[in-house]
Amino acid sequence: GAGVSQTPSNKVTEKGKYVELRCDPISGHTALYWYRQSLGQGPEFLIYFQGTGAADDSGLPNDRFFAVRPEGSVSTLKIQRTERGDSAVYLCASSIQSGNLYNEQFFGPGTRLTVL
Amino acid sequence: AQSVSQHNHHVILSEAASLELGCNYSYGGTVNLFWYVQYPGQHLQLLLKYFSGDPLVKGIKGFEAEFIKSKFSFNLRKPSVQWSDTAEYFCAVTPGNTPLVFGKGTRLSVIA
Repeated sequence: GAGVSQTPSNKVTEKGKYVELRCDPISGHTALYWYRQSLGQGPEFLIYFQGTGAADDSGLPNDRFFAVRPEGSVSTLKIQRTERGDSAVYLCASSIQSGNLYNEQFFGPGTRLTVL
Repeated sequence: AQSVSQHNHHVILSEAASLELGCNYSYGGTVNLFWYVQYPGQHLQLLLKYFSGDPLVKGIKGFEAEFIKSKFSFNLRKPSVQWSDTAEYFCAVTPGNTPLVFGKGTRLSVIA
């Protein structure tokens, strides 16, 4: 079946601009995660949705970052007033969620964001 | 806060050599441990995982990892690497059904 998809695959923008990054999770997966991977680093957690609500947004670096998942499926990560330090690969992952058991997270290909 | 350390940044091996990649984590409670792999141009994929039970875990493609609780370690091993194992390897930890905490990754280059 289809995996996690992310669009666009690459985004180049200028400092100060607004960007939106989209994630389509695997159908039926109720949990959705956003991570950010900077050059030479591992993925860092940003925000986690359970259904439509943000269950944990403690990883968002500041109030320029915001994410939504209005219908419990597709999610959009929004970055306002982009800065050069926001340049990174933004990864999305989804999983089935059942109680307190860990469920495997399936990752998308990422969106490479470059802020000039 | 939890953290994960991968001490090897770049490992270069010849084909058929044995591999061991180090991973140490800091967290005092029960943890779930993972190794993910990212082949060139591909998505992150789960290589193997440890939740409980036998501390020696076998994964795909001949990889295994051993959980040593007293050392807070979860090292990845493979007896004989192939050129196709060239990839970046990430160790990750989570105490439960929470977001993963990743290490910085180890780049493995296998040469013929």
